[in-house]
Amino acid sequence: GQQLNQSPQSMFIQEGEDVSMNCTSSSIFNTWLWYKQDPGEGPVLLIALYKAGELTSNGRLTAQFGITRKDSFLNISASIPSDVGIYFCAGQFYNAGNMLTFGGGTRLMVKP
Amino acid sequence: DVKVTQSSRYLVKRTGEKVFLECVQDMDHENMFWYRQDPGLGLRLIYFSYDVKMKEKGDIPEGYSVSREKKERFSLILESASTNQTSMYLCASSEETQYFGPGTRLLVL
Repeated sequence: GQQLNQSPQSMFIQEGEDVSMNCTSSSIFNTWLWYKQDPGEGPVLLIALYKAGELTSNGRLTAQFGITRKDSFLNISASIPSDVGIYFCAGQFYNAGNMLTFGGGTRLMVKP
Repeated sequence: DVKVTQSSRYLVKRTGEKVFLECVQDMDHENMFWYRQDPGLGLRLIYFSYDVKMKEKGDIPEGYSVSREKKERFSLILESASTNQTSMYLCASSEETQYFGPGTRLLVL
């Protein structure tokens, strides 16, 4: 199936730095979602975006639903060691089952 | 809070064994999903179900079957496990937004 283009694939940053990652698609979506996955665990939903142009924050996280409905970004401000993990974007187009299309993930490593 | 639980976190099976992976959600969600996750390949959809006794093939259904006898429970079945089915298996449920279980890491020897 289709996979979204997510970049960067990995980042190694210093604690306290800001982080930015994004996803692009050739298709439009009704919803953009951002998940974080810790090693050996399932993905946990961080932010859900439901409207083109929407900018949503969750603590140090900020995400935006692109105006064209084909892209989204996630920013993490003032990174801390527990931000380490893999971040996935996912696009959803409402249909039977509400299936998701996933990005390939961004592996974030934070140096204390 | 939505809770999706999977019956095992780690499982070791032998080639040819029949394997059952169970998933239960407590939010009365209509939709349930089974994915496998492999390095470099991301999350791939195996099967999904949007109602009791309904099932639809995802991107990689070969070698798998599913059962949804009750709304809260979605089972993934490996009829005859093979080594290439060694993977992390993730269950999810949704009304609008998908919520994932903790995953089952399956090793087939």
